[in-house]
Amino acid sequence: EAQVTQNPRYLITVTGKKLTVTCSQNMNHEYMSWYRQDPGLGLRQIYYSMNVEVTDKGDVPEGYKVSRKEKRNFPLILESPSPNQTSLYFCASRKTSGGRNEQFFGPGTRLTVL
Amino acid sequence: GQSLEQPSEVTAVEGAIVQINCTYQTSGFYGLSWYQQHDGGAPTFLSYNALDGLEETGRFSSFLSRSDSYGYLLLQELQMKDSASYFCAVRSYPSSGAGSYQLTFGKGTKLSVIP
Repeated sequence: EAQVTQNPRYLITVTGKKLTVTCSQNMNHEYMSWYRQDPGLGLRQIYYSMNVEVTDKGDVPEGYKVSRKEKRNFPLILESPSPNQTSLYFCASRKTSGGRNEQFFGPGTRLTVL
Repeated sequence: GQSLEQPSEVTAVEGAIVQINCTYQTSGFYGLSWYQQHDGGAPTFLSYNALDGLEETGRFSSFLSRSDSYGYLLLQELQMKDSASYFCAVRSYPSSGAGSYQLTFGKGTKLSVIP
């Protein structure tokens, strides 16, 4: 089954404790990205990657890091989480060109930073 | 930069028709997509318009007017399960011409279907 998986699905942590949210896709997509979703603000892009070892900032990259060492994986790293990073996070993947513009989303990770 | 405007909330009666509008301002516009998201779930793709006109997929249709920078999602024969948030998303290319297209999402419209 074609899918994007994220782990963990739920996480409660404390300020300053480094964490990583993993993301993996099995569709051989070149493009992967991370979004955060907050009430009234919609989906805001954090970072994206057009292929292995190619990453770039989205609209709200402060406080986050990413890496793309393999095509299927795109982890999101919070080196020193703060309460304003409490949010719902989605990983997504798609082709880089052509197609119906369909982006596939993971199930989401609900993060709470105390 | 990119900006998209859509209503924050819409309420409609089961069995009725509802239209959710989206206006956008962007450079390098290529097309407009719609995504559906149920509470607690992930966004899922509904439709995509690259050319002017209406695209129909079952009870859902999507329209685009490139000259007016405007599109809408039309939901017919509303069902309770259609209660969800709906996002329009603009597909655009960098002005440099290099790299992949970007997807920029609107803030979403929460649709409530009532009996």
